[in-house]
Amino acid sequence: QSALTQPASVSGSPGQSITISCTGTSSDVGGHNYVSWYQQYPGKAPKLMIYEVNNRPSGVPDRFSGSKSGNTASLTISGLQAEDEADYYCSSSTSSSTYVFGTGTKVTVL
Amino acid sequence: EVQLVESGGGLVQPGGSLRLSCAASGFTFSGYWMGWVRQAPGKGLEWVANIRQDGSEKYYVDSVKGRFTISRDNAKNSLYLQMDSLRVEDTAVYYCARGSGVYVYWGRGTLVTVSS
Repeated sequence: QSALTQPASVSGSPGQSITISCTGTSSDVGGHNYVSWYQQYPGKAPKLMIYEVNNRPSGVPDRFSGSKSGNTASLTISGLQAEDEADYYCSSSTSSSTYVFGTGTKVTVL
Repeated sequence: EVQLVESGGGLVQPGGSLRLSCAASGFTFSGYWMGWVRQAPGKGLEWVANIRQDGSEKYYVDSVKGRFTISRDNAKNSLYLQMDSLRVEDTAVYYCARGSGVYVYWGRGTLVTVSS
């Protein structure tokens, strides 16, 4: 049950697109479609942004999109905005019927 | 409105025990899996445990197996986490969340500090 691997930080200018990767194994990301992404501001509870690889909950802007290839999932933020500056975590179900989070990525809007 | 309110956190010595509670409202509690997620100070999220609607299935992260027990009381709309043999590394904010592992609704969290 090792944490999924994410880059520690990603940055971009307003209006640009950024992509955050989330690398696991065939026992989690690669073998399951219950891959989710969460946004978290300091001192706040996480917010679900993407579920089941590429689905957005109601109210999440369509600037946020998800995808998966093999053992790596990705979150893309298009048209980056100042309010997107936050920490982002991926999550996946596992073959042990548990869940695992990624190491987290700090997104900075330059 | 869905509400999840955790309680029971506090300061405890290594080796001690603590029981967290999560009061749920605004939805049919007995119809959903529920889970606990924790976050150590300045660190990332860690999935801890989840429990099926009727309590018949429970799953845990390896690091808490044999020490933590998740349970629920559907009559009281409440979720619990009994934490025994606590370690310094269990220090974290513990969040209650609705779902088996994909969490739309979260509580605000309760801080557990394990220190001598």
